Amino acid sequence: AQSVAQPEDQVNVAEGNPLTVKCTYSVSGNPYLFWYVQYPNRGLQFLLKYITGDNLVKGSYGFEAEFNKSQTSFHLKKPSALVSDSALYFCAVRDMAKDYKLSFGAGTTVTVRA
Amino acid sequence: DAGVTQSPTHLIKTRGQQVTLRCSPKSGHDTVSWYQQALGQGPQFIFQYYEEEERQRGNFPDRFSGHQFPNYSSELNVNALLLGDSALYLCASSLGSGGNTGELFFGEGSRLTVL
Repeated sequence: AQSVAQPEDQVNVAEGNPLTVKCTYSVSGNPYLFWYVQYPNRGLQFLLKYITGDNLVKGSYGFEAEFNKSQTSFHLKKPSALVSDSALYFCAVRDMAKDYKLSFGAGTTVTVRA
Repeated sequence: DAGVTQSPTHLIKTRGQQVTLRCSPKSGHDTVSWYQQALGQGPQFIFQYYEEEERQRGNFPDRFSGHQFPNYSSELNVNALLLGDSALYLCASSLGSGGNTGELFFGEGSRLTVL
């Protein structure tokens, strides 16, 4: 069975500082990994994905994520956070060989203070 | 380019009632997935429809059923509502084959409250 862990319920950073949101995954086959962002009372917006190739992937709004196979991690990063980045972030995994579904973590609430 | 649209946006039902939620996928997409997001939790997979068939199902009881129409739109039906069914129901669309790299495109959701 596939699963995702987001070890931090909340992350607080000052505007202009680097932002990191952690994610580890478990999957039997090769993973497809995703990050989504959710604003209050809204649906999920796709940020970026890792399918294959370069371990560092770049996505929307200046976000990037690094795939680390040995540590089974896919941490989301942004070099300089903005107040508008305050939202709920979800990591998700899919076992492309076995599943059509995405399995999501519990989410991490990011608060960026001015 | 229209994204994923869901209706209704909010609804209130009482225990034991039945509800139908509707979803139109993003233009060009042929696959619809439904997720339940309880308050403070991540989305949980209910099922996925492709070519008008349920292709995969999550750990939800038979009270949850669905349908996909020839135009790829979809419905989620929940019978005999329980208080625990109160949640945000998210519809997501994608390509079911060829060109599918896995990402889902989500609608804004339908907020169901069961009293």
